[in-house]
Amino acid sequence: NAGVMQNPRHLVRRRGQEARLRCSPMKGHSHVYWYRQLPEEGLKFMVYLQKENIIDESGMPKERFSAEFPKEGPSILRIQQVVRGDSAAYFCASSPRGLDGGTDTQYFGPGTRLTVL
Amino acid sequence: GQQLNQSPQSMFIQEGEDVSMNCTSSSIFNTWLWYKQDPGEGPVLLIALYKAGELTSNGRLTAQFGITRKDSFLNISASIPSDVGIYFCAGVTNTNAGKSTFGDGTTLTVKP
Repeated sequence: NAGVMQNPRHLVRRRGQEARLRCSPMKGHSHVYWYRQLPEEGLKFMVYLQKENIIDESGMPKERFSAEFPKEGPSILRIQQVVRGDSAAYFCASSPRGLDGGTDTQYFGPGTRLTVL
Repeated sequence: GQQLNQSPQSMFIQEGEDVSMNCTSSSIFNTWLWYKQDPGEGPVLLIALYKAGELTSNGRLTAQFGITRKDSFLNISASIPSDVGIYFCAGVTNTNAGKSTFGDGTTLTVKP
């Protein structure tokens, strides 16, 4: 049973370009979460999606960032017009159900390390 | 917003020693999670705690969910070199379904 898959593992972009990060959840998982991690810091929640729905985007910057989880295919985190401050590791996690007090937990992918030159 | 205070920030110990780290919060959480992250990798779940007062073990690891639901600790007994890494606590509340709040991590170094 493959775990959460993310690609690319490393992504280099110049300022002003677009970055697209992909996440394929574990088989049977319909809930996806994106987190950002700066060096020597913990993970900061960005967005929570179910298939075709954004459930909670309270951690997403208001501009340039968007996320989707289509009916078919991976979840995509899209960053438009990247700036140096966007350089970070972006992690995706998945769970079979929402973490609403149940016994499900999130399983993380290996991350995409974005470097903006 | 919710914040978790994780301590210590880093630890340097000798192989074979026991380790203890903890997380505290001003907010109540319904689930506490402990993860380990190796360099260049994503966090790997070590222990999940779902009930206040719960004490759970996973091999040499033991974690407890505080009675007040505002804290948790993780103990590692008889540390070995492969325990090196960053340990994160995370809390989940019902009102923030789907959203884990992470501590800033404890970096563990084990000297052989």
